[in-house]
Amino acid sequence: RKEVEQDPGPFNVPEGATVAFNCTYSNSASQSFFWYRQDCRKEPKLLMSVYSSGNEDGRFTAQLNRASQYISLLIRDSKLSDSATYLCVVNALTADYKLSFGAGTTVTVRA
Amino acid sequence: DTAVSQTPKYLVTQMGNDKSIKCEQNLGHDTMYWYKQDSKKFLKIMFSYNNKELIINETVPNRFSPKSPDKAHLNLHINSLELGDSAVYFCASSHARQGRLNYEQYFGPGTRLTVT
Repeated sequence: RKEVEQDPGPFNVPEGATVAFNCTYSNSASQSFFWYRQDCRKEPKLLMSVYSSGNEDGRFTAQLNRASQYISLLIRDSKLSDSATYLCVVNALTADYKLSFGAGTTVTVRA
Repeated sequence: DTAVSQTPKYLVTQMGNDKSIKCEQNLGHDTMYWYKQDSKKFLKIMFSYNNKELIINETVPNRFSPKSPDKAHLNLHINSLELGDSAVYFCASSHARQGRLNYEQYFGPGTRLTVT
């Protein structure tokens, strides 16, 4: 089983819509959770850290469900500029606690 | 005032050559990383240094040799390049891990390596 699994999508949504997707992780002891976005041919950029109580940053809301071992990202009022690949990142249960990256969920917002 | 910078941005070279990629960060972080992103878009950790000490060394061919002259710089030297080495190599930096808690990593713009 992969450490981090994501629905690859693509999620095609109209501007103004809400889109949400999940990421499951295999390590129940993971402590660090992040969402990154990656535009085509660009580097991953931190979107937000995910905290146990859930957190919001503008139109973006992240939730953590430890019991079911998944994190979610919800984007409200989608903009064209939200089109990107969203990477789920979790720290692995290895001695070095390295970060494991999901393969990404592609979101395309259309006019 | 770029936070994490890499050079070169593009690298096209022939099989068998040796090449280096350089990375510098001005964020004051003490941990730096090299990642490889292949055509399937998976980001895989290769190496990590904390204060010039190697702390992560994944299963990578020993043709790849990282070097950290100081905590703001991390270089990657690749010997005898092979076709399969073609990928995008990203450098990243962060504050040091605290127990099981990892801090956010900040990525450089990437080096697109093409081996012909």
